[in-house]
Amino acid sequence: DIQMTQSPSTLSASVGDRVTITCRASQSFSNWLAWYQQKPGKAPKLLIYKASSLESGVPSRFSGSGSGTEFTLTISSLQPDDFATYYCQQYNSYPHTFGQGTKLEIK
Amino acid sequence: QVQLQESGPGLVKPSETLSLTCTVSGGSISSYYWSWIRQPPGKGLEWIGYGHYSGSTNYNPSLKSRVTLSVDTSKKQFSLKLGSVTAADTAVYYCAMYRNGYYEGWGQGTLVTVSS
Repeated sequence: DIQMTQSPSTLSASVGDRVTITCRASQSFSNWLAWYQQKPGKAPKLLIYKASSLESGVPSRFSGSGSGTEFTLTISSLQPDDFATYYCQQYNSYPHTFGQGTKLEIK
Repeated sequence: QVQLQESGPGLVKPSETLSLTCTVSGGSISSYYWSWIRQPPGKGLEWIGYGHYSGSTNYNPSLKSRVTLSVDTSKKQFSLKLGSVTAADTAVYYCAMYRNGYYEGWGQGTLVTVSS
């Protein structure tokens, strides 16, 4: 199995800040990585696929990059609606695996 | 737009079988792969496996001995059976759909508690 490790586990930031979340994989792969946003009591929502492709309807302040073993999700200017937990997911191989999550909190 | 709705018992006794169904509306069940993903309270996401209308399946090795997934195209439903459950199987269970590996759509999730 490919293990996905996110950092940090918790991130405190303010509205307007630029934030970056990192996802590291235990094995190298191309760009078969997705990012999701999850709010309390809700299902995850797809933000980014293929490492850097923005899902339709997702604001352009979200962006993704990376390949190999290191991937990043960047939010260019935090909005109040962005405070949530974020997960990365690899789909290079089965079983699909997720990072442990990064909780983005209001500072 | 495809919508997914999970259904099934919210309480299952230890050692029994957990059975859930995902009903698909607004789209073709043959157009996607269908997965179950679970999330224990306060924890992260775990992929359980996928099913496809063709009959192909793939299970997480950590659960493979206890899981059966199936797709019923006539009812537009995707089902999960997880046997010999313990308290560690307590989680919110989501059904989700994909074509290219990433999950484009999710159900709202259903909490299943394993307790006597």
